[in-house]
Parts: sequence; C-alpha cells; structure tokens
Amino acid sequence: QQQVKQSPQSLIVQKGGISIINCAYENTAFDYFPWYQQFPGKGPALLIAIRPDVSEKKEGRFTISFNKSAKQFSLHIMDSQPGDSATYFCAASHGSSNTGKLIFGQGTTLQVKP
Amino acid sequence: DGGITQSPKYLFRKEGQNVTLSCEQNLNHDAMYWYRQDPGQGLRLIYYSQIVNDFQKGDIAEGYSVSREKKESFPLTVTSAQKNPTAFYLCASSYAGGTEAFFGQGTRLTVV
Repeated sequence: QQQVKQSPQSLIVQKGGISIINCAYENTAFDYFPWYQQFPGKGPALLIAIRPDVSEKKEGRFTISFNKSAKQFSLHIMDSQPGDSATYFCAASHGSSNTGKLIFGQGTTLQVKP
Repeated sequence: DGGITQSPKYLFRKEGQNVTLSCEQNLNHDAMYWYRQDPGQGLRLIYYSQIVNDFQKGDIAEGYSVSREKKESFPLTVTSAQKNPTAFYLCASSYAGGTEAFFGQGTRLTVV
C-alpha cells in the first residue's frame, strides 16, 4: 500500500511536443505529491508539487493533473525542449505521519529530440 | 549558499570494508534522509532522522548504520553486511513534518 507506480519507464518526444508521465498510488493517506527532475550524476530537484485539494497545478510549461478518485496523477511538459531531457520521479508522502519521508516512483527517462 | 553537501562524490570500497558517506546541511532543517538509487528502481529510503539523537529505519536499512549527533550532519556507514552496496547514495533534508525535500549531489559507491 506504500507503493507509487510510475510509467512509462522511458519516453522519447520531439522538440515542441507534449511529454506525459503517469503515476498511481494506493495509500489514500498520501496528501503531498511532488515531481522531481534529475540530471545525470546530480541529485533530484523539486520541479512541481500538488496537494489533493486541487485537480491541477501549472507552473510554466509543467502541469500536474490530479485525479483523487482514481488515485492517479500525471506530469505534462508542454513544448518539450532538449534541455528537459532528464529522469523524472513522482513521489508521495502523508503529512499526518509527520516524517516528511517520500515514497518514490521508479522514474521515467525522458529524451527530447531536437 | 545554503544547501546540502555530500562527500566524497565517488567512493571505492573493497569487499569486507566499512565506509562512511558524509552529509552536511546548512538549511537549518530538522529532518534528514538517506536514499539509495539503483537503475530502474527509483529512490529507496535507507534511514531518516527527524531530530538530533534520533533516527528511524527506512525500507532497506539492513547493512547500513547512521548517527545524528548534530543537526547539520547525518553520516551513513555502509557496513560489510550490505551484500550489494554498489549504488548512488543521496542525502536529503526538509523541515520537520515538511514536504519539500532538498537533495545533495550524491555519492557513487563502487565495490571493487
């Protein structure tokens, strides 16, 4: 029940296209859903995050869509650029545990072709 | 600059040796975490600490040990009991009960 499942494992998109990465969770106690971006040899960096009281959050070209009833959330990268080529991780945590610990998905390697 | 510093960036260990990975933060965060990253498996939690002198096991704590003697520091020891230690190790910190976790640049450990 602690798992977060992420798909696809890898994704190739043409420059200017839309990249979509999906995640599903089981634990309904989760109340914080961040997406992290990681470049090779670097630590992950927070990209965007959402809480279940909203269905969508947009920051620039990045949008999170959240479906509470389906227990799914997704990252949309509009107008994808070669500089977006990286590994993306979804994650979840529940504030009631007060630990701040994150459960991560398996990661998606995105390649944006010029 | 505030941030999390992990050292060394690369570490080579002979079989049967213990090694210690350093993690220091100057963000005044209460909570610190150690994750292990393997290809295709995402990040898995090894240990976490919410306060000085207290820490909890994560999902894959066997073969690892930690200490939290100072708020700024959370070193991880990979012991000889860890059968497959070759991996990329990431340290993170956040405010207590907080949400956004900030990560260090990682230490790549290789057993030779």
